Amino acid sequence: AQTVTQSQPEMSVQEAETVTLSCTYDTSESNYYLFWYKQPPSRQMILVIRQEAYKQQNATENRFSVNFQKAAKSFSLKISDSQLGDTAMYFCAFMSGIYNQGGKLIFGQGTELSVKP
Amino acid sequence: DGGITQSPKYLFRKEGQNVTLSCEQNLNHDAMYWYRQDPGQGLRLIYYSQIVNDFQKGDIAEGYSVSREKKESFPLTVTSAQKNPTAFYLCASSMDRVLKGYTFGSGTRLTVV
Repeated sequence: AQTVTQSQPEMSVQEAETVTLSCTYDTSESNYYLFWYKQPPSRQMILVIRQEAYKQQNATENRFSVNFQKAAKSFSLKISDSQLGDTAMYFCAFMSGIYNQGGKLIFGQGTELSVKP
Repeated sequence: DGGITQSPKYLFRKEGQNVTLSCEQNLNHDAMYWYRQDPGQGLRLIYYSQIVNDFQKGDIAEGYSVSREKKESFPLTVTSAQKNPTAFYLCASSMDRVLKGYTFGSGTRLTVV
C-alpha cells in the first residue's frame, strides 16, 4: 500500500522569504501523480500544483515549485516570496496511475504553515 | 457556475442516531469521494464511487454507508455504529481518467452531542 509522509507538522516563515515543505512517499509503481493541496482557515481545499511521475521536469506554478526526486521518492514544495495569504495547512497527496485504483488520493498528515509579517 | 455543494455546513447529532451528509455536483464528473479529516491525521478515505450505482470502501468505511443513484449525488450516512463520528467531512469529485486532481466541496463539520 502507498503511504505519504510529511515530517514537518508546523513551519513558519517571514513574509517575502522562501520556505520548503517536505514530503516523501512510498510506492512500487512507476506511473503515478503527486499533488500539493492548500487548506486555508476557510477549510476549502485548493490544488496548488501537480506533478506526473513520468515527467522529469519539475512543475512550477507562479511562486510555487516542486523538487521531484523520483528515485528518492521525495516531493517537496517551495514557496517563493511568501505572502500572508499563503498561511494554511498544506497537504501532499499521491494518486496511482493504475485505472482500477479508482483515482484515490492518499494524503499526508499535513504541514501547517504560518507566514509572519 | 459548476461546483460541489455540501450541506449542511454544521451538523449536530445525538449519540445513537444516524445522520446523512449531502454532496451534490454539477460538474458532470464520473468519480466522487468522501474523506474524513481529523487533526494531525490528514484526510482519510471513507468511500468512493467511479460510476453510478457502484461504490467501493475506502480505508475507514466501518460505521458509514453511501449510495450513488444519480451521477450528481453521493450522500454519506454516518450510522450509530461509527464510534467516533465527530470530524470534518469533505466530499470531492474528479473527471475519471483525466486525473487532474479533485474538486472539493466546502465540507461539513459533524459534532456528536
